[in-house]
Amino acid sequence: DTAVSQTPKYLVTQMGNDKSIKCEQNLGHDTMYWYKQDSKKFLKIMFSYNNKELIINETVPNRFSPKSPDKAHLNLHINSLELGDSAVYFCASSQGRESSPLHFGNGTRLTVT
Amino acid sequence: GENVEQHPSTLSVQEGDSAVIKCTYSDSASNYFPWYKQELGKGPQLIIDIRSNVGEKKDQRIAVTLNKTAKHFSLHITETQPEDSAVYFCAASSVGNNRLAFGKGNQVVVIP
Repeated sequence: DTAVSQTPKYLVTQMGNDKSIKCEQNLGHDTMYWYKQDSKKFLKIMFSYNNKELIINETVPNRFSPKSPDKAHLNLHINSLELGDSAVYFCASSQGRESSPLHFGNGTRLTVT
Repeated sequence: GENVEQHPSTLSVQEGDSAVIKCTYSDSASNYFPWYKQELGKGPQLIIDIRSNVGEKKDQRIAVTLNKTAKHFSLHITETQPEDSAVYFCAASSVGNNRLAFGKGNQVVVIP
């Protein structure tokens, strides 16, 4: 199936831990994103990579570090997790850098206890 | 930057009736306006989009209208069905920019 897939789907961890979320797309897109959706459903962009180059870096704590080993993968590593990091994290991809549809994964629900 | 406002926050409709969700945007340079549907436990999925060179676009039971002068665009769903129940997001972006600004979402509930 052609899709954006992210793992794990659920992640429960304690404060202070370090965790990673992986994302892969097989759509042939050259731009990938990480979005955070809070409990009120608000979608906020965190990062965007185009052909492995960071092009959007919103104001997020530097505990969050994206890594793009190639244009089909964009992983998100989070250090020293805090309660406020609990949210659903979505990976997405699109073709090109301008005004093109986003294709989202099904999300990773992160719960920090 | 772009600011997108979405109304109402919750909309309940009887099955078979129409639903309309309205969004306003602030940046007159915005030229791309997609709508996403998010079902429970899933990621948002594009259902329709419109670019600033057209005023209306239809795809079966859904349509989007754009008023550039007033800087608002609307999603119309006709003959609503229970499977239309979801959260709907509007968004906007401008030329040279794939930074989509999302509205806060509408919970649409179709009552059988």
